[in-house]
Amino acid sequence: QSALSQPASVSGSPGQSITISCTGTSSDVGGYRFVSWYQQHPGKAPQLIIYEVSNRPSGVSYRFSGSKSGDTASLTISGLQAEDEADYYCISYTRSTALIFGGGTKLTVL
Amino acid sequence: QVQLVQSGAEVKKPGASVVVSCKASGYTFTGHDINWVRQASGQGLEWMGWMHPNDDSTGYAPKFQGRVSITWNTSTSTVYLELGSLKSEDSAVYYCARKRAYTYGPDFDYWGQGTLVTVSS
Repeated sequence: QSALSQPASVSGSPGQSITISCTGTSSDVGGYRFVSWYQQHPGKAPQLIIYEVSNRPSGVSYRFSGSKSGDTASLTISGLQAEDEADYYCISYTRSTALIFGGGTKLTVL
Repeated sequence: QVQLVQSGAEVKKPGASVVVSCKASGYTFTGHDINWVRQASGQGLEWMGWMHPNDDSTGYAPKFQGRVSITWNTSTSTVYLELGSLKSEDSAVYYCARKRAYTYGPDFDYWGQGTLVTVSS
């Protein structure tokens, strides 16, 4: 099973908004609301920032939001800050009860 | 506080097996699934499998079926990942991650510090 499809890189200036897409199939992203997003800074473990498509864990900034349409989930970061520069990964539950990550997106804050 | 403390780095030869441990503390061990995720150098995250301590069940990514095993010891709150028939492509940092309770999705709220496994002849 191939990884979910994410853009390799996105960039934005401080204060701007960016959106990262995560495209799968009806057997994963499109079939369930169990999509999460993780932020990973270099050399660190990933951190959960969105769960069940659009929910933020306690302590995560309101600037992070998630949504889904069909087989594509999206992560939007508003009011970009330098500290948002990191790698972002989506992950989805799949029909086979396995989980599958996206390939990851490197966010550069210009 | 919740902690997941993993075992130290390993160097293995091709064809060998490796066992990575993950000791949990600060919460009720049987209340949360533990998943394993790996990351090769400069690469993305790859989900490997999960364990559900309440009903003694496990699940593995199809890619690793047959050469991966997740076991645990409830009395010591320790989870073990064993990966066999190692290849150079298995060189990676291996993470254990705790799933949030009462959810069905891949919501991992605490992660171990990672264990570097190097496979080299």
